[in-house]
Amino acid sequence: GQQLNQSPQSMFIQEGEDVSMNCTSSSIFNTWLWYKQDPGEGPVLLIALYKAGELTSNGRLTAQFGITRKDSFLNISASIPSDVGIYFCAGRYNQGGKLIFGQGTELSVKP
Amino acid sequence: DAGVTQSPTHLIKTRGQQVTLRCSPKSGHDTVSWYQQALGQGPQFIFQYYEEEERQRGNFPDRFSGHQFPNYSSELNVNALLLGDSALYLCASSPRRVGSYGYTFGSGTRLTVV
Repeated sequence: GQQLNQSPQSMFIQEGEDVSMNCTSSSIFNTWLWYKQDPGEGPVLLIALYKAGELTSNGRLTAQFGITRKDSFLNISASIPSDVGIYFCAGRYNQGGKLIFGQGTELSVKP
Repeated sequence: DAGVTQSPTHLIKTRGQQVTLRCSPKSGHDTVSWYQQALGQGPQFIFQYYEEEERQRGNFPDRFSGHQFPNYSSELNVNALLLGDSALYLCASSPRRVGSYGYTFGSGTRLTVV
């Protein structure tokens, strides 16, 4: 099935470091979403982006909707142990439409 | 406020059998989507139900079918199970109203086919 190209696949960082991950697509989306998934749980929405160029923050998280509408990035500042998990980007073509997910970035944080 | 509820949480089935998974959407949500998440992968869209009809479908065979009930709850049925159907099956609900983006996911049903 169709998936977005998400990188990196995994990251091992020290507590307090900043993290950056990104997602690219061959298709144009009108919405980009970033989710976090903990073991045994479903994805939880972190940030939603609706306009090309939009930069949105949620606490220590910042995400941007790329100008070309084919990419997005997520930054986490001053990482803490509870940031551990798998982060997924997802794109959507239209309101109410299906989500197309990336392969995920697994984040590990060393205290 | 209860979120999306899925049952059962875990299930083991034998190849060739049939399985039914259930989902109760978040209060106020009328649209239900199903996703399959293989180990180490992102979720893949199976189909979406609204007003008791299948509205969108992903690239899944006809062995995968669903239903939505008048109370908006939904079932996912998979016939003639294959080993490759082993995955986490996620249900996501959302309100249909314009301007809403709110997809809320359940914790999933872990299906193992042996």
